[in-house]
Amino acid sequence: GNSVTQMEGPVTLSEEAFLTINCTYTATGYPSLFWYVQYPGEGLQLLLKATKADDKGSNKGFEATYRKETTSFHLEKGSVQVSDSAVYFCALSDHNYGQNFVFGPGTRLSVLP
Amino acid sequence: DAGVIQSPRHEVTEMGQEVTLRCKPISGHDYLFWYRQTMMRGLELLIYFNNNVPIDDSGMPEDRFSAKMPNASFSTLKIQPSEPRDSAVYFCASRSDPGTGYNEQFFGPGTRLTVL
Repeated sequence: GNSVTQMEGPVTLSEEAFLTINCTYTATGYPSLFWYVQYPGEGLQLLLKATKADDKGSNKGFEATYRKETTSFHLEKGSVQVSDSAVYFCALSDHNYGQNFVFGPGTRLSVLP
Repeated sequence: DAGVIQSPRHEVTEMGQEVTLRCKPISGHDYLFWYRQTMMRGLELLIYFNNNVPIDDSGMPEDRFSAKMPNASFSTLKIQPSEPRDSAVYFCASRSDPGTGYNEQFFGPGTRLTVL
């Protein structure tokens, strides 16, 4: 079946550090890939997405590239801020496998001033 | 649009009581999802609906849980009787048909349930 694997957290960085959160997936078809962010006490919000191989999603300084050859969708940001502290979820949606999403376990990021 | 609306935002109840969580999806969305989030188990899909019809309820933990969607703008998740291990944050999410080209899910703010 479909699955998403993320690097274990928590991740703690200093402000302005470079961020990478690894995400790899297993899918039977050609999924769309997503990164969601959850700030404390809130629901999940879509951060960025990519719908086909080699697409790059970007938003708020975050980027991720859909790599079919390595089945990866790593999240990166060049300079993190304290306000980026949150839990980040990688997810996929495979239209050949029903209409629901498969979420990774989430990675908690803490950015220190 | 106001986004996905959930009520109540917080619920505290005693073991054995019935709990009803409510969700109003984004207008025009064909799919509605109920999730449960805990520290131990992370985010779990409980059930989802397409055009008000339950499609996959394999994530519903046991018969104490039930969900309905009587119309396109309203869904409920009911727990009867509630138990302390049901304490969690319950999220509702909706999405439009993937054929529209917009396939992301939109989440509500969640209901934090505490069963004493």
